[in-house]
Amino acid sequence: RKEVEQDPGPFNVPEGATVAFNCTYSNSASQSFFWYRQDCRKEPKLLMSVYSSGNEDGRFTAQLNRASQYISLLIRDSKLSDSATYLCVVSTTSGTYKYIFGTGTRLKVLA
Amino acid sequence: NAGVTQTPKFQVLKTGQSMTLQCAQDMNHEYMSWYRQDPGMGLRLIHYSVGAGITDQGEVPNGYNVSRSTTEDFPLRLLSAAPSQTSVYFCASSLYSNQPQHFGDGTRLSIL
Repeated sequence: RKEVEQDPGPFNVPEGATVAFNCTYSNSASQSFFWYRQDCRKEPKLLMSVYSSGNEDGRFTAQLNRASQYISLLIRDSKLSDSATYLCVVSTTSGTYKYIFGTGTRLKVLA
Repeated sequence: NAGVTQTPKFQVLKTGQSMTLQCAQDMNHEYMSWYRQDPGMGLRLIHYSVGAGITDQGEVPNGYNVSRSTTEDFPLRLLSAAPSQTSVYFCASSLYSNQPQHFGDGTRLSIL
């Protein structure tokens, strides 16, 4: 089982739609959680950190469920510019420290 | 406003050649790491460092060496290039190990 799993998609949605991605992680000792966005052949860029209480940044909402070991990302009112791959990242300290990336979920917003 | 700088951006090597990918950050970050990204595989951690003089292996360290003599620089050395090392390489840094990482633009490496 992969340490961080995401549905690869692609998710094809019309402009204005609401879309949600989930990500599950296997290590219950994981401490920090992030969503990154990656455009084709570019570097990943931080979209938002994910906190236990949930957090919102404009059209984006992230949630963490420690009991079920998953994080989610909700995008409301999708824009064409939201088309990208969304990467779930989990950081764990268990002896050594490391970030684990999911393989990403591709989103294509259609006009 | 440099952030994380990687050089070169593109490189073609022949099998058996060695080279060093450079990574430098000007944010005084303690944590630095190297990833490779292959189609369908996501980013995989090669090596990381939690501070000057301290390095550790990630998920796919074989064939690569690193050193961290200064806070700013974290070079990645390919000892004897193999076609399986054809990939996009990203360097990243963060202030501490539980903080979000900032990425360089990447190095696209082809081994013939």
